[in-house]
Amino acid sequence: ELKVEQNPLFLSMQEGKNYTIYCNYSTTSDRLYWYRQDPGKSLESLFVLLSNGAVKQEGRLMASLDTKARLSTLHITAAVHDLSATYFCAGTGSYQLTFGKGTKLSVIP
Amino acid sequence: GAGVSQSPSNKVTEKGKDVELRCDPISGHTALYWYRQSLGQGLEFLIYFQGNSAPDKSGLPSDRFSAERTGGSVSTLTIQRTQQEDSAVYLCASSFVGDTQYFGPGTRLTVL
Repeated sequence: ELKVEQNPLFLSMQEGKNYTIYCNYSTTSDRLYWYRQDPGKSLESLFVLLSNGAVKQEGRLMASLDTKARLSTLHITAAVHDLSATYFCAGTGSYQLTFGKGTKLSVIP
Repeated sequence: GAGVSQSPSNKVTEKGKDVELRCDPISGHTALYWYRQSLGQGLEFLIYFQGNSAPDKSGLPSDRFSAERTGGSVSTLTIQRTQQEDSAVYLCASSFVGDTQYFGPGTRLTVL
């Protein structure tokens, strides 16, 4: 059974700083997803990572995947307030997503 | 184009009543999923539909929960004899097979 762990669960960071969110998973996952959720809103797809060494970037967010270490990271560069949200990683063994508990990110001026 | 839609957006019900939640997937998506999000349990998979195949019901928490998908499109999740622990946000997602899942806005269910 696939298990997904994220850390940290809460992250308060100053604008302009860099930080990384970590996502570990327990068994083989066909692909690894990152989603963003704003308060009271649904999940927005950010990235899908398909293979070892995959790296994707969008704006100040960059996601990477190391399948040998069963680790994905979401790196935030020069954080801005608009990035404040909860970020989830999710793996999939077949079709349904198994989510981590989420990282609640607060970017403060 | 139109995304996944769900209705109602909020539902308040009394313990013991039945509720129906509706999901309209993105047109052309053959796969449809239901998840539940609660503070205590996080995001949990409930059920998966793919085309005309039998659904995977392995995530349904009890036999009070059921779902159907008519005509390969709209889906209804039914919860019978609701309990307070059923209070959560119920999220529907759709996708092409094996592709990124796109989520609807959710239905917030409150059982009094």
